[in-house]
Amino acid sequence: EPEVTQTPSHQVTQMGQEVILRCVPISNHLYFYWYRQILGQKVEFLVSFYNNEISEKSEIFDDQFSVERPDGSNFTLKIRSTKLEDSAMYFCASSLRQGDNEKLFFGSGTQLSVL
Amino acid sequence: GNSVTQMEGPVTLSEEAFLTINCTYTATGYPSLFWYVQYPGEGLQLLLKATKADDKGSNKGFEATYRKETTSFHLEKGSVQVSDSAVYFCALKSRGSTLGRLYFGRGTQLTVWP
Repeated sequence: EPEVTQTPSHQVTQMGQEVILRCVPISNHLYFYWYRQILGQKVEFLVSFYNNEISEKSEIFDDQFSVERPDGSNFTLKIRSTKLEDSAMYFCASSLRQGDNEKLFFGSGTQLSVL
Repeated sequence: GNSVTQMEGPVTLSEEAFLTINCTYTATGYPSLFWYVQYPGEGLQLLLKATKADDKGSNKGFEATYRKETTSFHLEKGSVQVSDSAVYFCALKSRGSTLGRLYFGRGTQLTVWP
């Protein structure tokens, strides 16, 4: 089965630094998403992206966050100035369409540690 | 608002034991309900889903029934295997919201011993 690929699997950064998390969605998919899970807490929706635009974002996704599809294959999440509380597992997902019978495909996640 | 509460883990069972992982939800309207599974080193994968009350989702021997009266969607399997060791996530999607706008629980780690 096709896979969503996330790199790196673990990233360590210093507080205040910018970090970019990378995802390669499934090649013909059109809808892209980021989620995060802080240790011990729920998996939380951050943002959805379609047709080179953010289609929905949660209250967590503030001005420190941005997403981009810089080319035909990558989908990135940038955190401008990381805080300790940004430490979490970040999951990328993609889907071909939006219907109720569609499936979301998730990557295995990037564990971000902010020191 | 929308929220999912699932049973705290970890859960440890012997092979062939019966599994229940509890999940309850709060939602506006009538959501769709999902169980996702994450095997070690892999991404979350859809295990099963139910889109309306009294629907039963099933896959790989796992089942869950959408119970509107108790706002629950408990995951069950009659006889677990070592290969079922994974993290299980309950999730909901509000009716009318986009596919990817899911509300997840915290996940329940299941370990099955031979």
